[in-house]
Amino acid sequence: DTAVSQTPKYLVTQMGNDKSIKCEQNLGHDTMYWYKQDSKKFLKIMFSYNNKELIINETVPNRFSPKSPDKAHLNLHINSLELGDSAVYFCASGGSGDEQYFGPGTRLTVT
Amino acid sequence: RKEVEQDPGPFNVPEGATVAFNCTYSNSASQSFFWYRQDCRKEPKLLMSVYSSGNEDGRFTAQLNRASQYISLLIRDSKLSDSATYLCAVNPSLAGKSTFGDGTTLTVKP
Repeated sequence: DTAVSQTPKYLVTQMGNDKSIKCEQNLGHDTMYWYKQDSKKFLKIMFSYNNKELIINETVPNRFSPKSPDKAHLNLHINSLELGDSAVYFCASGGSGDEQYFGPGTRLTVT
Repeated sequence: RKEVEQDPGPFNVPEGATVAFNCTYSNSASQSFFWYRQDCRKEPKLLMSVYSSGNEDGRFTAQLNRASQYISLLIRDSKLSDSATYLCAVNPSLAGKSTFGDGTTLTVKP
Protein backbone atom coordinates (compact mmCIF):
# COMPACT_ATOMS: atom_id res chain seq x y z
CA ASP A 1 0.00 0.00 0.00
CA THR A 2 1.28 3.46 -0.90
CA ALA A 3 1.58 5.55 2.25
CA VAL A 4 1.48 8.97 0.54
CA SER A 5 0.15 9.24 -2.98
CA GLN A 6 -0.05 12.20 -5.32
CA THR A 7 -1.75 12.74 -8.63
CA PRO A 8 -0.86 13.52 -11.29
CA LYS A 9 2.77 12.48 -11.45
CA TYR A 10 3.46 14.74 -14.42
CA LEU A 11 1.68 17.95 -15.35
CA VAL A 12 2.48 19.97 -18.45
CA THR A 13 0.42 23.08 -18.99
CA GLN A 14 0.52 26.55 -20.46
CA MET A 15 1.00 29.83 -18.68
CA GLY A 16 -2.19 31.30 -17.32
CA ASN A 17 -3.93 27.98 -16.77
CA ASP A 18 -5.29 26.74 -13.44
CA LYS A 19 -4.34 23.28 -12.18
CA SER A 20 -4.73 21.10 -9.12
CA ILE A 21 -2.58 18.44 -7.50
CA LYS A 22 -4.10 15.91 -5.15
CA CYS A 23 -2.49 14.20 -2.20
CA GLU A 24 -3.67 11.43 0.08
CA GLN A 25 -2.03 9.67 3.00
CA ASN A 26 -3.08 6.46 4.69
CA LEU A 27 -0.70 6.71 7.64
CA GLY A 28 -3.25 8.19 10.00
CA HIS A 29 -1.13 11.31 10.55
CA ASP A 30 -2.67 14.61 11.55
CA THR A 31 -0.15 16.80 9.73
CA MET A 32 0.43 17.19 6.02
CA TYR A 33 2.70 19.45 4.01
CA TRP A 34 3.36 20.80 0.55
CA TYR A 35 6.93 21.38 -0.57
CA LYS A 36 8.39 22.84 -3.73
CA GLN A 37 11.70 21.58 -5.09
CA ASP A 38 13.12 23.79 -7.81
CA SER A 39 15.64 23.08 -10.52
CA LYS A 40 18.50 23.60 -8.08
CA LYS A 41 17.01 20.83 -5.93
CA PHE A 42 16.29 23.08 -2.96
CA LEU A 43 13.35 21.76 -0.95
CA LYS A 44 11.18 24.54 0.46
CA ILE A 45 8.08 24.21 2.57
CA MET A 46 4.99 25.95 1.24
CA PHE A 47 2.16 24.96 3.55
CA SER A 48 1.42 22.77 6.52
CA TYR A 49 -1.97 21.58 7.74
CA ASN A 50 -2.77 19.94 11.03
CA ASN A 51 -6.07 18.11 11.20
CA LYS A 52 -7.48 20.19 8.34
CA GLU A 53 -6.30 23.51 9.75
CA LEU A 54 -3.61 25.63 8.13
CA ILE A 55 -0.69 26.06 10.52
CA ILE A 56 2.15 27.13 8.25
CA ASN A 57 1.91 29.39 5.25
CA GLU A 58 5.31 30.39 3.99
CA THR A 59 5.81 33.28 1.61
CA VAL A 60 3.90 31.78 -1.25
CA PRO A 61 1.95 33.76 -3.87
CA ASN A 62 -1.75 33.71 -3.18
CA ARG A 63 -2.21 32.02 -6.56
CA PHE A 64 -1.44 28.87 -4.56
CA SER A 65 -4.33 27.68 -2.43
CA PRO A 66 -4.22 24.50 -0.40
CA LYS A 67 -7.38 22.71 0.64
CA SER A 68 -7.78 19.94 3.15
CA PRO A 69 -11.19 18.28 3.00
CA ASP A 70 -10.14 15.86 5.75
CA LYS A 71 -6.92 15.03 7.54
CA ALA A 72 -6.01 12.34 5.03
CA HIS A 73 -6.12 14.68 2.05
CA LEU A 74 -4.32 17.88 1.18
CA ASN A 75 -4.79 19.27 -2.29
CA LEU A 76 -3.01 22.16 -3.96
CA HIS A 77 -4.69 24.43 -6.46
CA ILE A 78 -2.64 26.84 -8.52
CA ASN A 79 -4.20 29.72 -10.43
CA SER A 80 -2.73 31.62 -13.35
CA LEU A 81 0.34 29.44 -13.70
CA GLU A 82 3.65 31.16 -14.43
CA LEU A 83 6.90 29.86 -15.91
CA GLY A 84 8.55 30.15 -12.50
CA ASP A 85 6.07 27.68 -11.05
CA SER A 86 7.80 24.88 -12.93
CA ALA A 87 9.20 22.57 -10.26
CA VAL A 88 8.56 19.31 -8.49
CA TYR A 89 5.87 19.55 -5.83
CA PHE A 90 6.00 17.07 -2.98
CA CYS A 91 3.27 16.31 -0.55
CA ALA A 92 4.35 14.89 2.81
CA SER A 93 2.72 13.46 5.89
CA GLY A 94 4.16 14.11 9.33
CA GLY A 95 4.52 11.58 12.11
CA SER A 96 4.29 12.30 15.81
CA GLY A 97 7.99 13.17 16.02
CA ASP A 98 7.78 15.30 12.88
CA GLU A 99 9.50 12.70 10.78
CA GLN A 100 8.06 13.09 7.31
CA TYR A 101 6.94 10.71 4.63
CA PHE A 102 6.89 12.10 1.13
CA GLY A 103 4.72 11.35 -1.84
CA PRO A 104 6.36 10.55 -5.19
CA GLY A 105 6.12 14.14 -6.36
CA THR A 106 4.35 15.97 -9.17
CA ARG A 107 6.62 17.31 -11.87
CA LEU A 108 4.99 20.52 -13.10
CA THR A 109 6.17 22.09 -16.34
CA VAL A 110 4.70 25.41 -17.39
CA THR A 111 5.26 26.38 -21.01
CA ARG B 1 22.97 32.88 7.94
CA LYS B 2 20.77 30.02 6.75
CA GLU B 3 18.78 28.13 9.39
CA VAL B 4 20.25 24.84 8.23
CA GLU B 5 23.46 24.50 6.25
CA GLN B 6 25.08 21.56 4.54
CA ASP B 7 28.21 21.21 2.47
CA PRO B 8 26.75 20.59 -1.00
CA GLY B 9 29.69 18.44 -2.07
CA PRO B 10 29.83 16.55 -4.28
CA PHE B 11 31.58 13.88 -2.28
CA ASN B 12 33.13 11.31 -4.57
CA VAL B 13 34.40 8.27 -2.73
CA PRO B 14 35.48 4.75 -3.68
CA GLU B 15 33.49 1.73 -2.63
CA GLY B 16 34.33 0.67 0.87
CA ALA B 17 35.27 4.15 2.02
CA THR B 18 33.95 5.85 5.12
CA VAL B 19 32.37 9.23 4.54
CA ALA B 20 30.84 11.76 6.90
CA PHE B 21 28.54 14.70 6.36
CA ASN B 22 27.76 17.52 8.73
CA CYS B 23 24.74 19.75 8.98
CA THR B 24 24.79 22.90 11.09
CA TYR B 25 21.72 24.63 12.44
CA SER B 26 21.24 28.12 13.83
CA ASN B 27 18.33 27.71 16.25
CA SER B 28 19.67 26.44 19.56
CA ALA B 29 16.10 25.56 20.63
CA SER B 30 15.81 22.94 17.87
CA GLN B 31 14.43 19.71 19.21
CA SER B 32 14.28 17.07 16.52
CA PHE B 33 16.70 16.16 13.80
CA PHE B 34 16.58 13.86 10.82
CA TRP B 35 18.54 12.60 7.86
CA TYR B 36 16.77 11.90 4.57
CA ARG B 37 18.04 10.33 1.40
CA GLN B 38 16.90 11.48 -2.04
CA ASP B 39 17.68 9.56 -5.19
CA CYS B 40 17.65 11.29 -8.55
CA ARG B 41 14.11 12.15 -9.64
CA LYS B 42 12.63 10.54 -6.53
CA GLU B 43 11.13 11.78 -3.31
CA PRO B 44 13.13 12.24 -0.11
CA LYS B 45 12.95 9.21 2.14
CA LEU B 46 13.54 9.16 5.85
CA LEU B 47 16.90 7.57 6.56
CA MET B 48 17.09 8.00 10.30
CA SER B 49 16.15 10.22 13.19
CA VAL B 50 18.99 11.70 15.21
CA TYR B 51 18.80 11.32 18.95
CA SER B 52 20.78 13.08 21.64
CA SER B 53 22.55 9.85 22.43
CA GLY B 54 23.29 9.22 18.77
CA ASN B 55 22.00 6.25 16.87
CA GLU B 56 23.24 3.60 14.55
CA ASP B 57 21.53 1.60 11.84
CA GLY B 58 23.85 -0.86 10.17
CA ARG B 59 26.53 1.06 8.31
CA PHE B 60 24.93 4.40 9.16
CA THR B 61 25.60 6.38 12.34
CA ALA B 62 24.00 9.69 13.21
CA GLN B 63 25.25 12.01 15.93
CA LEU B 64 24.00 15.22 17.48
CA ASN B 65 26.31 17.87 18.91
CA ARG B 66 24.13 20.43 20.66
CA ALA B 67 27.03 22.52 21.94
CA SER B 68 28.30 23.16 18.43
CA GLN B 69 24.84 22.93 16.85
CA TYR B 70 25.40 20.33 14.23
CA ILE B 71 24.36 16.83 13.33
CA SER B 72 26.45 14.35 11.45
CA LEU B 73 25.93 11.26 9.33
CA LEU B 74 28.67 8.67 9.01
CA ILE B 75 28.50 6.00 6.35
CA ARG B 76 30.90 3.10 6.69
CA ASP B 77 31.87 0.64 3.96
CA SER B 78 30.21 2.72 1.24
CA LYS B 79 28.24 0.87 -1.43
CA LEU B 80 27.49 1.98 -4.96
CA SER B 81 23.85 2.06 -3.91
CA ASP B 82 24.61 4.74 -1.30
CA SER B 83 25.01 7.27 -4.12
CA ALA B 84 22.30 9.86 -3.52
CA THR B 85 21.68 13.28 -2.07
CA TYR B 86 21.49 13.37 1.72
CA LEU B 87 19.26 16.01 3.28
CA CYS B 88 19.25 16.98 6.91
CA ALA B 89 16.13 18.37 8.56
CA VAL B 90 15.86 20.30 11.80
CA ASN B 91 12.68 21.02 13.71
CA PRO B 92 12.68 24.00 16.11
CA SER B 93 9.88 22.51 18.19
CA LEU B 94 7.61 19.54 18.11
CA ALA B 95 4.79 21.77 16.93
CA GLY B 96 6.89 23.55 14.36
CA LYS B 97 8.05 22.76 10.88
CA SER B 98 11.20 21.03 9.78
CA THR B 99 13.66 23.10 7.84
CA PHE B 100 15.63 21.13 5.28
CA GLY B 101 19.21 21.67 4.31
CA ASP B 102 20.03 21.98 0.64
CA GLY B 103 21.53 18.50 0.55
CA THR B 104 24.92 16.87 0.14
CA THR B 105 25.53 14.81 -2.96
CA LEU B 106 27.42 11.56 -2.56
CA THR B 107 28.75 9.49 -5.43
CA VAL B 108 30.31 6.14 -4.62
CA LYS B 109 32.53 4.84 -7.42
CA PRO B 110 33.73 1.31 -8.13
